Amino acid sequence: DIVMTQSPDSLAVSLGERATINCKSSQSVLYSSNNKNYLAWYQQKPGQPPKLLISWASTRESGVPDRFSGSGSGTDFTLTVSSLQAEDVAVYYCQQYYTTPPTFGPGTKVDIK
Amino acid sequence: QVQLVQSGAEVKKPGASVKVSCKASGYTLTSYGISWVRQAPGQGLEWMGWISAYNGNTNHAQKFQGRVTMTTDTSTTTAYMELRSLRSDDTAVYYCARDLGYISSWYFDYWGQGTLVTVSS
Repeated sequence: DIVMTQSPDSLAVSLGERATINCKSSQSVLYSSNNKNYLAWYQQKPGQPPKLLISWASTRESGVPDRFSGSGSGTDFTLTVSSLQAEDVAVYYCQQYYTTPPTFGPGTKVDIK
Repeated sequence: QVQLVQSGAEVKKPGASVKVSCKASGYTLTSYGISWVRQAPGQGLEWMGWISAYNGNTNHAQKFQGRVTMTTDTSTTTAYMELRSLRSDDTAVYYCARDLGYISSWYFDYWGQGTLVTVSS
């Protein structure tokens, strides 16, 4: 199975500041035949199911604010919240879907400083 | 709009079985898969398995092999997940999610609200 790791475990950012979350996979999730990274990002608020933010490492889902962006390729990926808002307090998970079973990172908790 | 509505919370004794339902609406069930993901209290997300709503093909995580059954009923647009031989460490919130994968699990764009299954003697 592909092991996903995330850093940091948690971070606190001032309102309006940038939050950066890193995700690393134990093997590449870049499929060479189509040059796509099989990597998604989710946001989970307390008591709610996860919400898909980004697929294919950098494709923002419809309705997701443009302050959320994804980048990276191969084994190293980043989720950036360019200007943190109060409603962005949540746990963020990365997930690879390059191979079965799909696997999630352990999550990064984002709070307001 | 796409909705996945799950059945209510369950309390089960060790060794029992539980069957969770997931009613899909707002899209054509057979055009997507359904994955089941669980989350133990205070923990992360764990993928359990996937079913193609088109042809019923399934793929389960190895740790659940022999203990889980996933089905769909296209007439009622409902997916089901049955977990047998429950243990205390099966206590978790169980989610169904619409899976974008056609022949295997990919990623999940809509999720049910979750069903808390508590296993306790």
